[in-house]
Amino acid sequence: EVQLVESGGGLVQPGRSLKLSCAASGFTFSNYYMAWVRQAPTKGLEWVASITNSGGSTYYRDSVKGRFTISRDNAKSTLYLQMDSLRSEDTATYYCTRDITTYWYFDFWGPGTMVTVSS
Amino acid sequence: DIQMTQSPASLSASLEEIVTITCKASQGIDDYLSWYQQKPGKSPQLLIYDATSLADGVPSRFSGSRSGTQYSLKISRPQVDDSGIYYCLQSYSTPRTFGGGTKLELK
Repeated sequence: EVQLVESGGGLVQPGRSLKLSCAASGFTFSNYYMAWVRQAPTKGLEWVASITNSGGSTYYRDSVKGRFTISRDNAKSTLYLQMDSLRSEDTATYYCTRDITTYWYFDFWGPGTMVTVSS
Repeated sequence: DIQMTQSPASLSASLEEIVTITCKASQGIDDYLSWYQQKPGKSPQLLIYDATSLADGVPSRFSGSRSGTQYSLKISRPQVDDSGIYYCLQSYSTPRTFGGGTKLELK
């Protein structure tokens, strides 16, 4: 059974950093692209970043480029999102997703971890 | 960026109706379109990919279609359990963009 479990969320002050993790199980992690999608409170979904199966290429939305870093450890079956220079507009639930590249869609999602950026 | 204009924003339907939700892309997206259902307090779940392909385990009352750059999700004879918020996603180009969502209430 595919499982994705995020961790690392919490309350952080503007300008500070936070690192999210996503532990994957039930599939061969190194074979799949992965992504982070976020959802601000009462708002819609927003793609944040994606990474290839090897970790050799990464992609970001403009609003997080230069502040967030997506990475992975295939030996640990874990996806990461390093978030620096956090802003209030980064407040959201962050979902880890598995990315299927044949037709480009997210087939499994974790339960999410909440990040609140506030002083 | 490709804009996905989703409509309606909210919808109340009876169990005998056919529910249709649409997403219009601001340009061609070559059917790289998927649909998701999200229930309160839960993560989204995949319903449809490649515009018309039903995801594993999704009931056959859900279907997807395309007309030009407009994509539709249809729910035939919806069940009470189908209440929730529905989103489309285009994955033709980066940034990948979601529609604004449709809140479906079954009465």
